[in-house]
Amino acid sequence: NAGVTQTPKFQVLKTGQSMTLQCAQDMNHEYMSWYRQDPGMGLRLIHYSVGAGITDQGEVPNGYNVSRSTTEDFPLRLLSAAPSQTSVYFCASSYSFESSYNEQFFGPGTRLTVL
Amino acid sequence: TQLLEQSPQFLSIQEGENLTVYCNSSSVFSSLQWYRQEPGEGPVLLVTVVTGGEVKKLKRLTFQFGDARKDSSLHITAAQTGDTGLYLCAGARGNKLVFGAGTILRVKS
Repeated sequence: NAGVTQTPKFQVLKTGQSMTLQCAQDMNHEYMSWYRQDPGMGLRLIHYSVGAGITDQGEVPNGYNVSRSTTEDFPLRLLSAAPSQTSVYFCASSYSFESSYNEQFFGPGTRLTVL
Repeated sequence: TQLLEQSPQFLSIQEGENLTVYCNSSSVFSSLQWYRQEPGEGPVLLVTVVTGGEVKKLKRLTFQFGDARKDSSLHITAAQTGDTGLYLCAGARGNKLVFGAGTILRVKS
């Protein structure tokens, strides 16, 4: 199994540009989520999905859109990039969120810089 | 303000020393997890604690969940250079995971 994969690994955008960060998992996990990691702030939840066709907002959803058309894929769209969105983005998946024992499997991250 | 406060933010120690990292909150969590992250990689789960007062050991690492399920600690005995990394605690609230800001641990040889 490849686990959780993310593309691209690095990206530089200009203010106002849009782009999609890709995330895929091959573990048949129901739950997928996107986090951003900024220095001194840990990981903050952007959006999450408890299954195909279901998405919900996390702690910092503004400026981001998600969709979950399949169990495997959970892309994150930046609608109009801003310098405040410069960060490292992590996608994660877990079997489900019904049990308290759920382990989150993280992808390798995408380092995004917005100029 | 962070829902989960981790302390210290940064810790630099010599190999062989012991250390404790704390994760505190005023909120109750159904479970609490500890992750370790190395530069350029995603976090990797170390342990999940669920029951108040629970203690789990993973080789030289000891994890404890507070009786009221609001706080946790990670104790490392005889630290090694391979323990260097960012340690993150995360609390489960409903179907969301809330992370602390992390503790950067540097173990010097």
